[in-house]
Amino acid sequence: LAKTTQPISMDSYEGQEVNITCSHNNIATNDYITWYQQFPSQGPRFIIQGYKTKVTNEVASLFIPADRKSSTLSLPRVSLSDTAVYYCLVGDRDNFNKFYFGSGTKLNVKP
Amino acid sequence: GAVVSQHPSWVICKSGTSVKIECRSLDFQATTMFWYRQFPKQSLMLMATSNEGSKATYEQGVEKDKFLINHASLTLSTLTVTSAHPEDSSFYICSAKTGTSGLREQYFGPGTRLTVT
Repeated sequence: LAKTTQPISMDSYEGQEVNITCSHNNIATNDYITWYQQFPSQGPRFIIQGYKTKVTNEVASLFIPADRKSSTLSLPRVSLSDTAVYYCLVGDRDNFNKFYFGSGTKLNVKP
Repeated sequence: GAVVSQHPSWVICKSGTSVKIECRSLDFQATTMFWYRQFPKQSLMLMATSNEGSKATYEQGVEKDKFLINHASLTLSTLTVTSAHPEDSSFYICSAKTGTSGLREQYFGPGTRLTVT
């Protein structure tokens, strides 16, 4: 499975747009990119998943360049409640068995 | 959406005793369940993969005789920590997967906080 690299932490202020980038240089052809959010003492929660270009849902956007060696999670107008750890994972969507969490990015949203 | 529950949400046990944690998929059948462990301020670490009706597959470094996993039905997997020690104190999270494909189709439980005294 492709290894991912993310910044350990990021700071932002309420109302700002936050972009968290994940590097996955050895991503395979069949791999999809998935982002999870985790609050303290809770299980991870699915945010978004994509394969290429751009994916948008009601909470976030995911930008994936043509070479797919990185991806960027974009959170529009963050609030204090978005303070959490965000994990980027890569794996074969159609032949998926398990995946491994990287270090994640601790996002601190300040008032 | 698919819901995964864990019971108990937190447990305190004495050193040397065993404790069982349940993971249930409430509204779907889970062909595969996963168990993770998370220490404070660290990432989730995959412990084992559990398929219904077969033996669990443990990750390297995880003692299968200490962390007993049973996946007796398509909606229930249990993790038993045997002869618990203080170093086993951690946050244990399960997840359940539907069907045979899809990173998207993995749903996480709320976690169980284990404290061994």
